[in-house]
Amino acid sequence: KQEVTQIPAALSVPEGENLVLNCSFTDSAIYNLQWFRQDPGKGLTSLLLIQSSQREQTSGRLNASLDKSSGRSTLYIAASQPGDSATYLCAVYSGSARQLTFGSGTQLTVLP
Amino acid sequence: GAGVSQSPRYKVAKRGQDVALRCDPISGHVSLFWYQQALGQGPEFLTYFQNEAQLDKSGLPSDRFFAERPEGSVSTLKIQRTQQEDSAVYLCASSLGGQGEETQYFGPGTRLLVL
Repeated sequence: KQEVTQIPAALSVPEGENLVLNCSFTDSAIYNLQWFRQDPGKGLTSLLLIQSSQREQTSGRLNASLDKSSGRSTLYIAASQPGDSATYLCAVYSGSARQLTFGSGTQLTVLP
Repeated sequence: GAGVSQSPRYKVAKRGQDVALRCDPISGHVSLFWYQQALGQGPEFLTYFQNEAQLDKSGLPSDRFFAERPEGSVSTLKIQRTQQEDSAVYLCASSLGGQGEETQYFGPGTRLLVL
């Protein structure tokens, strides 16, 4: 059974700092990996999707990398802003199961 | 609207009551997913539809949970004889293709509280 772990569970940084969120998964037979953002009381917003054949994806200040063989992904946020404060969730799509398996998330607070 | 919508946004039920949660996916999206999210946790898969066919219901926690998508668009998640452990946020997501591996677009969720 696929398991996804995110470290750290919570992170607080001053505005402007670059930061890295970590995600690991136990079964490397994945189709893709997605990073989501969740604001309190809201649904999930997809940030980046990395196909299993890709190594990284970039969108603005966000860069996500994937090392499928080692079961790891990182989300890099450059020049953090208070508006980046949210919970960031990592999820892997395992085609055999046709479902996303999520980690528990990293709660990020960017202090002004 | 262009996004996934869910109703009601909040539902308070007495233990033993039946509830029905609705999901309107993005128009034209073939795949539809239901997830359950407990407080402080990531969402957990409940069930998956490809058009009107329910292809995977392995995540439904008990036979009190039932989902349908009769015309391949709107879906309803029904919980019978609700229990306190059913309290959670229920999220619906849809994706364009029939395999579900594309980006999933999530609705705002229905927050269910069972007293």
